[in-house]
Amino acid sequence: QSALTQPASVSGSPGQSITISCTGTSNDIGGYKYVSWYQQHPGKAPKLMIYDVTNRPSGVSDRFSGSKSGNTASLTISGLQAEDEADYYCTSPSKTNTRVFGGGTKLTVL
Amino acid sequence: EVQLLESGGGLVQPGGSLRLSCAASGFTFSTYAMAWVRQAPGKGLEWVSTISGDEVYYADSVRGRFTISRDNSRNTLYLQMNSLSPGDTALYYCAKYRERYFDYWGRGTLVIVSS
Repeated sequence: QSALTQPASVSGSPGQSITISCTGTSNDIGGYKYVSWYQQHPGKAPKLMIYDVTNRPSGVSDRFSGSKSGNTASLTISGLQAEDEADYYCTSPSKTNTRVFGGGTKLTVL
Repeated sequence: EVQLLESGGGLVQPGGSLRLSCAASGFTFSTYAMAWVRQAPGKGLEWVSTISGDEVYYADSVRGRFTISRDNSRNTLYLQMNSLSPGDTALYYCAKYRERYFDYWGRGTLVIVSS
């Protein structure tokens, strides 16, 4: 299972918007509507932020949104806040009932 | 409140075995799929295995060496790991799996494979 491709790092200033991309293939992202995104602060467990491409779990700020086009999914964070600084991971189902994660993106709030 | 508590990690020599456990509470354990996800030090997340009903699935990197199982009477998920190598060194997370996403995660148990 090959990892999904994410940028290693992104940055933005407080109040700005940033977008993290997650690129796969037709065997994973392109073939399913089940991309999910996770936030991980240092030393903490991952936290679900987006599921089924666009849905937010209860309690997750509406500043977080997801989308997908073809083989690429995206996570957008608007109105950046200092607490958003973390690592972000995408994941998708893949063929043969496996799952694949992205390599992770480190978000820095300047 | 959903809680997942992993245990069983530790230091093991190459070629050795370990069994990880994940005690679940706060939800009807038997009705949900469960998964193991690992994270090597300083690295990203890697899906390891999923158990859904009687179906089990493994990453290529662990197939044939790791076995996932569950005891619904004890609300506990297991991961039997054999023929361990240094590449298996990681923090192992237990996660509740909604067939499409992981909605709750434990805090992880650390496995170190070293001589």
